[in-house]
Order: sequence, then structure tokens, then C-alpha cells
Amino acid sequence: EEQVVESGGGLVQPGASLTLSCAASGFRIEYYWMYWVRQAPGEGPVWVSRMNGDGSSMAYADSVRGRFTISRDNAHNMVYLQMTSLRVEDTAVYYCARELGGAMHQWGRGTLITVSS
Amino acid sequence: QSALTQPPSASGSPGQSVTISCTGTSSDVGGYKYVSWYQQHPGKEPKLIIYEVSKRPSGVPDRFSGSKSDNTAFLTVSGLQAEDEADYYCCSYTRSDTFVFGTGTKVIVL
Repeated sequence: EEQVVESGGGLVQPGASLTLSCAASGFRIEYYWMYWVRQAPGEGPVWVSRMNGDGSSMAYADSVRGRFTISRDNAHNMVYLQMTSLRVEDTAVYYCARELGGAMHQWGRGTLITVSS
Repeated sequence: QSALTQPPSASGSPGQSVTISCTGTSSDVGGYKYVSWYQQHPGKEPKLIIYEVSKRPSGVPDRFSGSKSDNTAFLTVSGLQAEDEADYYCCSYTRSDTFVFGTGTKVIVL
């Protein structure tokens, strides 16, 4: 069964750093673009970042560019999201997803980040 | 990048059809085939139901269909069932090499 499982969330103070992990199973991430998407409580999803299969191409939403970094370890089938200078408005459930035809497929259950003093 | 515009809600009786619109610009919806739709039930993760405007992932019923005209994409749910009551979001690739989601539509099965 193909699935992804996110981890690494928690409560942090504004200005802190945190790294999220996404463990994939049932498929090899090296063949896919991988995405991060977030959803604040009561709000709709917001695309955050994506990276291609070999890690040579990545893109970010304006709201996180320069603060977040996406990376991957194809050998271990893992995707990461390094987050720095966290803000209150970064509070959300963060989802990892595998690409299908330019869309986000195979979402995980997400991991909650709460940024609060 | 502004969110794509969707109606806040749509409703229909069981067995009927409901169509949701998703309006963007020529820099996103109108310019690319990478328009997708997601279904989200309360407390659950979004689920991809349409990609590349009109394709369905394996396992998604053919009651769900997608189309596009100019800068507006459409999702039609035919033969409404109780379990179709959920939030629906569109999403499009953009000229800036980013993705933008829609504002979301709550489908109510009467």
C-alpha cells in the first residue's frame, strides 16, 4: 500500500526552527515530485513547496520562500521541510503528498505545527 | 497569488447533480492543464479526485467529472450520494511555478 507519514510537528515559539519529515512507503520517491501543503485551522489548503525526483528543481510559495527549505533522501525514501524564522501565521497542519499529473496525490494524515508564545 | 474563486456552498438532493466553479486567470487556470480538485471530509486529509482538468485517479467514481472553459474550471458530481457531502477545493499550477488553491465549496446533500 502506498502511503506517506508526516512527523516532527509540535508547539514552538515565534522565531524558532523546526524540521518536518515525510516517510514514504509502497513507492519510490525518486520517481516523483513531492509536495508540502499546509492547512490552517478552519481554512483551506495552501501549497507550500515541491521538489522533483532527483532534487534538482524546487519551488516555494512566496509566504515561505527564504525561510523554508525542502529536501529529500531518496535512499531512505524520505522528504523533509526545514522551517526557520517561524511565525504565528505558519500555524497549520502540514501535509506531504506525492505527485500525480501535476496534482497532489497520496496525502498523509499531516502533522500539526503551532507557533505561539 | 490570490486564491482561486469558488462559491461558498452548493447543494442538491440525492441522485441529482451539482456543479462547482473555480475561477482564476490566464496565469493559472486558463493557461495550464494542471487543474485538480480535492474532496475533504471533516477532520480528514484532502483527497485528490480530479487531475489534469478531467482525469480521475484510480478508485474515484466516474460520478466525479471535471472540465475547463477559458479561466474557469468546473467539477460536476452526478448522482449525489450522502457521502459526497464534504468540502471541495480546486487547485491550479501558475505561471510563477507555484500552485494556488481555491477558496473552497461546501457541498450539502439535502
